[in-house]
Amino acid sequence: KAGVTQTPRYLIKTRGQQVTLSCSPISGHRSVSWYQQTPGQGLQFLFEYFSETQRNKGNFPGRFSGRQFSNSRSEMNVSTLELGDSALYLCASSLEGSYFEPQHFGDGTRLSIL
Amino acid sequence: GESVGLHLPTLSVQEGDNSIINCAYSNSASDYFIWYKQESGKGPQFIIDIRSNMDKRQGQRVTVLLNKTVKHLSLQIAATQPGDSAVYFCAENRDQGAQKLVFGQGTRLTINP
Repeated sequence: KAGVTQTPRYLIKTRGQQVTLSCSPISGHRSVSWYQQTPGQGLQFLFEYFSETQRNKGNFPGRFSGRQFSNSRSEMNVSTLELGDSALYLCASSLEGSYFEPQHFGDGTRLSIL
Repeated sequence: GESVGLHLPTLSVQEGDNSIINCAYSNSASDYFIWYKQESGKGPQFIIDIRSNMDKRQGQRVTVLLNKTVKHLSLQIAATQPGDSAVYFCAENRDQGAQKLVFGQGTRLTINP
């Protein structure tokens, strides 16, 4: 079974632009979460989607948004990019998104802002 | 504020020795903990999890211990191999109704030949 797939792997943007990142969960998984990883702040939760609905959101500005499609694939969008948005963006999926269920991560999209 | 933290940012061990990576948490209501391994250029890989109604769980070459009294958990890796070199994170699920992982800062494990 294929793992979580994230595209693209690397992305370079300039300040003020917007970006869309894509995530395909493990087949059959219905919950998708997004995390931002930086050297300074570590791994931080962005949001979680289940059955096309956002169930939870972290402490990030409204420039960060996401959505989930009926096939469970998810996208996240960052508008008006800032230098501080440079990070590794990780997507994770789980079967039912239940509390006692581990999430499985993709290898991330490395976003660099110039 | 509430947090999940690791005691040491780096740990160096001899190949073949056992490794112990520690993690402390502050939320006494935490019920579910997960250990992840992250190798360079890759995403976190699930290793093992434990619920608060257990104090020990074993996997292949790994054991997680949970001490709820002092709010501490540890990951033990037996007979450490070069392939175990990575950053190890403990995490807890903070949302009872959904999934929201809060991660520690990570411990970088280095294996000496």
